[in-house]
Amino acid sequence: KNQVEQSPQSLIILEGKNCTLQCNYTVSPFSNLRWYKQDTGRGPVSLTIMTFSENTKSNGRYTATLDADTKQSSLHITASQLSDSASYICVVDGFSGGYNKLIFGAGTRLAVHP
Amino acid sequence: ETGVTQTPRHLVMGMTNKKSLKCEQHLGHNAMYWYKQSAKKPLELMFVYSLEERVENNSVPSRFSPECPNSSHLFLHLHTLQPEDSALYLCASSQDEGTDTGELFFGEGSRLTVL
Repeated sequence: KNQVEQSPQSLIILEGKNCTLQCNYTVSPFSNLRWYKQDTGRGPVSLTIMTFSENTKSNGRYTATLDADTKQSSLHITASQLSDSASYICVVDGFSGGYNKLIFGAGTRLAVHP
Repeated sequence: ETGVTQTPRHLVMGMTNKKSLKCEQHLGHNAMYWYKQSAKKPLELMFVYSLEERVENNSVPSRFSPECPNSSHLFLHLHTLQPEDSALYLCASSQDEGTDTGELFFGEGSRLTVL
């Protein structure tokens, strides 16, 4: 069964600290892996999209890594800010399953405290 | 501003009411989606329209009825809902190329509460 598991479920860090969010998936084969940020009460916004051949991709203070062999991805946030408080959703785009091929994780809820 | 606008942002309805959610995209995309987001659960795909044709109906109960009058507008008609249908309903659009799903652009969502 195609699944995307994210850990931790929730995380609290102090402003200025770094953190890493994990995403493990069983989707195979896959086309790409996406990370989204969702502020409370808002829709998700794309942070990065990586194909299976890309190992790392950055978007400002956000850096995503991908290991297609172990089927793991991580999202690293550097020098966190209060505005980073949000849910971070990992999505794997598989080749099959029609439009159901986007498999969503349940998200990691990050709280950045001053 | 993502280019995808949803109205209303909040909706409270009784189980016997009929209401509609509206979505409009200003991005020129060829695909539009309805997703349901419940607390602590992954987004659930409900419907997909590609070039105004419904291409996916993910076993959604008939009390949810989608409508796509043109490539920029998408509606979700609601009728005799249940309290468990209370959730955040997200609309998204993408520019798809063949079997490749483009980047999804989401609206802000419509928070639905069924009493």
